[in-house]
Amino acid sequence: SQTIHQWPATLVQPVGSPLSLECTVEGTSNPNLYWYRQAAGRGLQLLFYSVGIGQISSEVPQNLSASRPQDRQFILSSKKLLLSDSGFYLCAWRPLLAGDHFGPGTRLLVL
Amino acid sequence: RKEVEQDPGPFNVPEGATVAFNCTYSNSASQSFFWYRQDCRKEPKLLMSVYSSGNEDGRFTAQLNRASQYISLLIRDSKLSDSATYLCVVNGGYGGSQGNLIFGKGTKLSVKP
Repeated sequence: SQTIHQWPATLVQPVGSPLSLECTVEGTSNPNLYWYRQAAGRGLQLLFYSVGIGQISSEVPQNLSASRPQDRQFILSSKKLLLSDSGFYLCAWRPLLAGDHFGPGTRLLVL
Repeated sequence: RKEVEQDPGPFNVPEGATVAFNCTYSNSASQSFFWYRQDCRKEPKLLMSVYSSGNEDGRFTAQLNRASQYISLLIRDSKLSDSATYLCVVNGGYGGSQGNLIFGKGTKLSVKP
């Protein structure tokens, strides 16, 4: 069965510091991978998606970037965090003709 | 008009009650529809897909009305464990595995003993 891992589970970072969140998927090859953010009182917002190694599509202009260095690894980064980057970050993969399956998420608080 | 709209609730119901959630979507080209459940401070989990003819999974029934661009979820015989936020999800209508999923903000359900 497929499993999706994210770490860290929670993170408190000062404004202006860098960020790196990692997501890995087990049990499937060449998955479509997604990064979402859920801010307080708002719905899930798609940030990036990737259909393969080195292929990244950005959905919204922002302070973040994504990379896919390996088939089952998806990384979300920032060089300098803003207060507005606080939120619940969720990595997901999508089986064919089905809804997204989410990892446990990383709760980020920028102070 | 918002892309996916849901009543935020909360819906407070007694155990055993039947409760219905509604959702409207704006993109008539959308092809895929889902209901997710999200527990407090946890990731959303896929509850069920919604098919054109309607579908049932135990106590849960999902309906789709394409003409009205409307989706519903019915929960019968509510359990305490059904307490959660229910998210309505629609794809962006672009087709293929790259089609974006649009999430509603969710409807909060609280089942009381």
